[in-house]
Amino acid sequence: AQTVTQSQPEMSVQEAETVTLSCTYDTSENNYYLFWYKQPPSRQMILVIRQEAYKQQNATENRFSVNFQKAAKSFSLKISDSQLGDTVMYFCAFMIMYSGGGADGLTFGKGTHLIIQP
Amino acid sequence: DSGVTQTPKHLITATGQRVTLRCSPRSGDLSVYWYQQSLDQGLQFLIQYYNGEERAKGNILERFSAQQFPDLHSELNLSSLELGDSALYFCASSPGGEAFFGQGTRLTVV
Repeated sequence: AQTVTQSQPEMSVQEAETVTLSCTYDTSENNYYLFWYKQPPSRQMILVIRQEAYKQQNATENRFSVNFQKAAKSFSLKISDSQLGDTVMYFCAFMIMYSGGGADGLTFGKGTHLIIQP
Repeated sequence: DSGVTQTPKHLITATGQRVTLRCSPRSGDLSVYWYQQSLDQGLQFLIQYYNGEERAKGNILERFSAQQFPDLHSELNLSSLELGDSALYFCASSPGGEAFFGQGTRLTVV
């Protein structure tokens, strides 16, 4: 069974600082994707960034980037120049890709509540 | 807007009752996933349908069932409801490799 662990239930940083959210996962599969989702008070799950396991290059989306360490099964999210609007819940998630196409359901971590202080 | 539509947004019902949650996936997506988010269990994958067929099962109770119709919309049926079934239920659709979530249905069992 796959597991995803987010060891930081809550983090707090000052506005404009850089913050890193940690995530580790466990799987015996080789073909998978990793994701960071955010969940604002509206409850909508919004994709922040995606990483394909076969890609060595770390994914980047504007102020958001990941540090993907496949051997260590680590997938941390770095948020640069943090903004007040970044104050939401962040979930790390894992998805196995089928060899014939398609994907299994997402396995989520428990989440990290990030608080950006003004 | 993710393009995934869930109805209703809120649902309050009594223990022992049965409810149906509805999901319309994004145009062109054949896969539909159902998830449950509760305070004690977190976000859990329940079940996946692909083009009308059940494809994968997660932590779905026997009292719960789902189906996907020819027009690709999906329904999640929850029966013999218990207080512990109170949760946020999400539907997501996927073209493969990325999941787009609906806004969820907040179910409260009283």
